[in-house]
Amino acid sequence: GENVEQHPSTLSVQEGDSAVIKCTYSDSASNYFPWYKQELGKGPQLIIDIRSNVGEKKDQRIAVTLNKTAKHFSLHITETQPEDSAVYFCAAPQAGYSTLTFGKGTMLLVSP
Amino acid sequence: NAGVTQTPKFRVLKTGQSMTLLCAQDMNHEYMYWYRQDPGMGLRLIHYSVGEGTTAKGEVPDGYNVSRLKKQNFLLGLESAAPSQTSVYFCASSLGLAGNNEQFFGPGTRLTVL
Repeated sequence: GENVEQHPSTLSVQEGDSAVIKCTYSDSASNYFPWYKQELGKGPQLIIDIRSNVGEKKDQRIAVTLNKTAKHFSLHITETQPEDSAVYFCAAPQAGYSTLTFGKGTMLLVSP
Repeated sequence: NAGVTQTPKFRVLKTGQSMTLLCAQDMNHEYMYWYRQDPGMGLRLIHYSVGEGTTAKGEVPDGYNVSRLKKQNFLLGLESAAPSQTSVYFCASSLGLAGNNEQFFGPGTRLTVL
């Protein structure tokens, strides 16, 4: 089955800095890569996703890049704000696309 | 719309006790999922359902059972709770296959087994 590795496990940045979280996957047939944000005490929420027909997708201060050859994708957050502090999960589909495999998560802390 | 709701929010059990966690969604989604979240382990899939009356095993199904008698509800049962089942449980639903569609998560149930 699909294996997803996520790094780093924790990331501390100063407000205004950029943050980058990286994930690798194992199944070259995977073509959908979502990112979820989990705020303290809440369930995860989709913030951005990318499909394999594009290499980059942006939504205001967040962007995701995909390198299918290397089988990795990354989340980029620019001009970080304290409200970006949360746990971020990447994911990739299992064969058959019924389920997702999640990375172990990255705890992002943005200090004012 | 309430989205995905979970009942209860918190529960403490003794080893060997049983309980049922209820997940309800009002978005008419076909697909529903139960995950557990443990520190440093991310989200791991317990069981899922691709439609009313169907269930399937996920990555960590042992010790759990599920039922999807109504489209809007997905129940997770623990027949004989063990301390290893201490975790935060999340339910999620999606309109289409999770491997291609957004999943909507509930607020979670924090379960402690003593």
